[in-house]
Amino acid sequence: DIQMTQSPSSLSASVGDTVTITCRASQGISSYLNWYQQKPGKPPQLLIYGAATLESGVPSRFSGSGAGTDFTLTITDLQLEDFATYYCQQTYTDFRTFGGGTTVDIK
Amino acid sequence: QVRLLQSGPGLVKPSETLSLICTVPNDSINDYSWNWIRQAPGKGLEWIAFFYSGGRVSYNPSYESRVSIAMDTSKNQFSLKMNSVTAADTAMYYCAGASIVYSSPLDFWGQGTMVIVSS
Repeated sequence: DIQMTQSPSSLSASVGDTVTITCRASQGISSYLNWYQQKPGKPPQLLIYGAATLESGVPSRFSGSGAGTDFTLTITDLQLEDFATYYCQQTYTDFRTFGGGTTVDIK
Repeated sequence: QVRLLQSGPGLVKPSETLSLICTVPNDSINDYSWNWIRQAPGKGLEWIAFFYSGGRVSYNPSYESRVSIAMDTSKNQFSLKMNSVTAADTAMYYCAGASIVYSSPLDFWGQGTMVIVSS
């Protein structure tokens, strides 16, 4: 099983800040890493797939990078609607694990 | 965007079987792969299982002995059954779909079904 470890588990930021969330896989997953955003009471929404490809309609202030075992999600110029929980997920193997999540809240 | 409609009971008794259905009203179920994910209250996402093209199924080893998923192409539905439930299975359950390509992300999600396990 591939374990996905996200850090930090939570962070506080202000509107306009740049935030970076990391996701580390316990073994190499090439670029089969996806990022989701979840707001309270809603299902998750796909933000980025293939480590770096922005899903259609997602603002360009979101970006992803990485390959192998280490990945990052960066949000520049944080907006009010970006305060949410973010999850990474690998789709490299049949057992499609999620990271534990990172909650971004308002400082 | 593919629309998914989830249905199933919100209350299940301990030791009984949880049964959920995800209906795809406007697209062919054969054009995608299908997943079940759950989220315990206040916790993160946990992947349960997926049904891939040609009948290939994969389960989270943590649930493999208790879970089965299936597709009904005549009704454009896929289902989840989890037996011998306990209070620890109380969670929001989501169905989610992905492109037919093996490593595709979860593009579209159902609205979720909150299942409470209680007598």
